[in-house]
Amino acid sequence: NAGVTQTPKFRVLKTGQSMTLLCAQDMNHEYMYWYRQDPGMGLRLIHYSVGEGTTAKGEVPDGYNVSRLKKQNFLLGLESAAPSQTSVYFCASTFRGLPYTDTQYFGPGTRLTVL
Amino acid sequence: AQKITQTQPGMFVQEKEAVTLDCTYDTSDPSYGLFWYKQPSSGEMIFLIYQGSYDQQNATEGRYSLNFQKARKSANLVISASQLGDSAMYFCAMREGPGSGYALNFGKGTSLLVTP
Repeated sequence: NAGVTQTPKFRVLKTGQSMTLLCAQDMNHEYMYWYRQDPGMGLRLIHYSVGEGTTAKGEVPDGYNVSRLKKQNFLLGLESAAPSQTSVYFCASTFRGLPYTDTQYFGPGTRLTVL
Repeated sequence: AQKITQTQPGMFVQEKEAVTLDCTYDTSDPSYGLFWYKQPSSGEMIFLIYQGSYDQQNATEGRYSLNFQKARKSANLVISASQLGDSAMYFCAMREGPGSGYALNFGKGTSLLVTP
């Protein structure tokens, strides 16, 4: 049972390049999330999905797009990377998110550097 | 909007001693959940303990307990008998409502160093 996996683990981009981060979970979870973590900060929500085919914006969505074509996968895209997007990206999932008790399980993170 | 405050950027504790990490929260929702996560230097987020707003008793999980004071809106993490492996960042988080897909709202964290 792999839990939540993220691909890639590390990436270096040049300004203006694009890339896609892949998150996969094998726990049949409905809800999935993308967070970013910057030095000295907690995690901040980028986008989330409450089920296959749905996505919604979180606290810091600018410069990112997401897709959830399959229940087990949640993709985060950077169309034109900027140095401000240098961060560690975490994917998380949870079964239903109701009623506030379900634990969120996190992937190992992707460390992205934009030069 | 909900808010989580962790006022201790860094804490030191000697091995085998107990330590309390502070967390205060602000919300107008009657239903909420409070979580603590540990992030070691390797970077992964490890779930430690959960407290629901309607829970009558403080949550406990092994050496971890949560000192939940609802009227004061605080949810402090207590680690008993600290071990060297407890050295890590600790994050307090609150479960947001359906408007944010029940996402977690995190504090900025407390760095704990356990010394021999």
